[in-house]
Amino acid sequence: DTTVKQNPRYKLARVGKPVNLICSQTMNHDTMYWYQKKPNQAPKLLLFYYDKILNREADTFEKFQSSRPNNSFCSLYIGSAGLEYSAMYLCASSRDGPYEQYFGPGTRLTVL
Amino acid sequence: GEQVEQLPSILRVQEGSSASINCTYENSASNYFPWYKQEPGENPKLIIDIRSNMERKQTQGLIVLLDKKAKRFSLHITDTQPGDSAMYFCAANDSGYNKLTFGKGTVLLVSP
Repeated sequence: DTTVKQNPRYKLARVGKPVNLICSQTMNHDTMYWYQKKPNQAPKLLLFYYDKILNREADTFEKFQSSRPNNSFCSLYIGSAGLEYSAMYLCASSRDGPYEQYFGPGTRLTVL
Repeated sequence: GEQVEQLPSILRVQEGSSASINCTYENSASNYFPWYKQEPGENPKLIIDIRSNMERKQTQGLIVLLDKKAKRFSLHITDTQPGDSAMYFCAANDSGYNKLTFGKGTVLLVSP
C-alpha cells in the first residue's frame, strides 16, 4: 500500500481560529513532509519530520507547528489562521530522504 | 537554498506530437531531479526521476535529460495522448538536506 492519507479533504476555518490537519501513511517511511500549494505557485515546503526530528523552514518557522506521535501520523497545526493561509496543504512521505516522495490528496483549507 | 524555474506554465499540443518542459536550478550541488504528474483532483505522482550521475533516462514514453553544466533538466513526452493532460512539476533536491524545491508547474493540454 503506497497510500498517503489526509484528513479532512476540505476545511473551512475562521480567521483567528486554530486549524489541525492530519496525515498518515503505512509504508514505514522515516520522513514526512508538509507543503503549502497556492494557485500558480510552486508547492512550498513548510516543514518535515525525519524520524522524530522536526525541521521547519526559516520563513514559516513561527506560523506552523507539527507533531508526529508515531511513525505513521503527522499533523500540521496553525494556531491562529489568517486569510493568507487559504491554500492546498499537501502531505508527503519518503523512505530515503527527498527521493521518491509519495503525496497525499491534499487538504484544501479556506479561511474566512 | 535551491531555486527552481519551470517553463512553460501552459503547454498545448496535438495528440501524437511531443511535449517538452524545461527546468533550471541554481545549486550546483543538487543531485536529484524528479518529475511529478498531478491530474485534477488527484495527488502528485512521481513519474520519472534522474540523478546527477546520468545525462539521460527513459521510461514508457518519457525522457528526462540533465545538463549539469547548464544546470538545466527537461522532460520530454513522446507521442502525447489525452491522458497525458495534467499538471507537471519538476523539482531538485537541496543537497545536504532532506528536501525538494519544486517548480511552479506546467499545465499540459493534449487535444485530440
